Formats: sequence, structure tokens, C-alpha cells
Amino acid sequence: AQSVTQPDIHITVSEGASLELRCNYSYGATPYLFWYVQSPGQGLQLLLKYFSGDTLVQGIKGFEAEFKRSQSSFNLRKPSVHWSDAAEYFCAVTGGGNKLTFGTGTQLKVEL
Amino acid sequence: DADVTQTPRNRITKTGKRIMLECSQTKGHDRMYWYRQDPGLGLRLIYYSFDVKDINKGEISDGYSVSRQAQAKFSLSLESAIPNQTALYFCATSDYTGLAGIVGELFFGEGSRLTVL
Repeated sequence: AQSVTQPDIHITVSEGASLELRCNYSYGATPYLFWYVQSPGQGLQLLLKYFSGDTLVQGIKGFEAEFKRSQSSFNLRKPSVHWSDAAEYFCAVTGGGNKLTFGTGTQLKVEL
Repeated sequence: DADVTQTPRNRITKTGKRIMLECSQTKGHDRMYWYRQDPGLGLRLIYYSFDVKDINKGEISDGYSVSRQAQAKFSLSLESAIPNQTALYFCATSDYTGLAGIVGELFFGEGSRLTVL
């Protein structure tokens, strides 16, 4: 069975600081990986996805993520956080069966 | 207008009442989904549909039913609501990825917050 772990429930960073959100997945074959963002009162929006090819994936809003098969990780990064990045971030994995499994989310707070 | 519209956005009801949450989309996607979001649990799939005649149970379908009235409309019903169905419900759509069994990018509505007293 596929699963996703986001070890950090809450993270607080200062505006302008760098950010890394952790995501570990469990899946026996080739995973297809996603990061979504949920702003307050909104639905989720796709930030980026990894299906194949280059393991460093660029997304919207200046985010990137790196797929590391050896570590079963797909961590999300941003070099300089803006106050508008405060939101909840979800990692998700699919490997087939028409099933997308979400992590429990990481709530990001940005201090001005 | 939003591509994926959910109604109502907020609803408070009592135990035992029947509730319907509606979803309509203008994305032109065949695939539609209903998810439930609970704090600390992420999103869990209730039902999904790949076309009007194709309805499938997700991981937490007990206590819920769905109807796909048209390509653009997918409704979720709680036949007899109970307090532990209090949650934020999301409808989503996706296009076919070309990869069998692989869910592509999901486009979400803004959610329907349901409180069952």
C-alpha cells in the first residue's frame, strides 16, 4: 500500500528565509509525486509534480522539489519565503489503482 | 466564475438528517472526486467517477452515496448524517493522464464545510 509521511505538522520561518518541507513516501514501484498548497478558505492548488525525468522539479510561485529514490523523499524547497506563502502544504503520491494518497499536511507560518 | 463550484459552502444540520452537497465543473473533465478533510488526517477519498456510468468507492465510502447526473455534475449525499461526518468536503476534477491508473492534477472546489450536531 502507498503512504505519505509529512513529519512536520507546523513550521515557522521568517520572511526572506529559506524553506524546506519534508515528505517521505512508501511505495514499492515508481511513484508519481505531487505537492499541493491550501490557502485559508480555499481548495488545494497544485504546486508541482514529478512523473519522470529530471529529479529536480520546478513549480509555481518559486517552489521546487527534489525526488530522491534512495531516501524515498520528495522535499519541497523555496529559497526565500514571502508572507503570502503562509498556508498548508500537502504531499501526495500515486502509483496506480486510481488512488492518490495525501499526507497529513504541514502548516507554514511566516513571521514578518 | 470558479472552474469547480461547490454548494453549499457551509451547512449546519442535525443528526439523522439527509444532506446533499453539490458540485459542478466547467473544466470539461470526465473524472470527478469527492474528498473529506479532517484536521491532522489530510484528505481521504470518498467516491470517484470517471464518467456518468462509472462510480467507484474510495477509502471511506460508508455512510455516503453519490450521483453523477451529467459530465459536469457530481453530488455527494449523507443519507442520515452523524456527528463524526462533521468535516470539510472537497470536490475535485482531473483529466486523463494517459497512464493507466494514475491520477493526474486535481482541480479543487473551495470546499463545503459541514457541521452535524
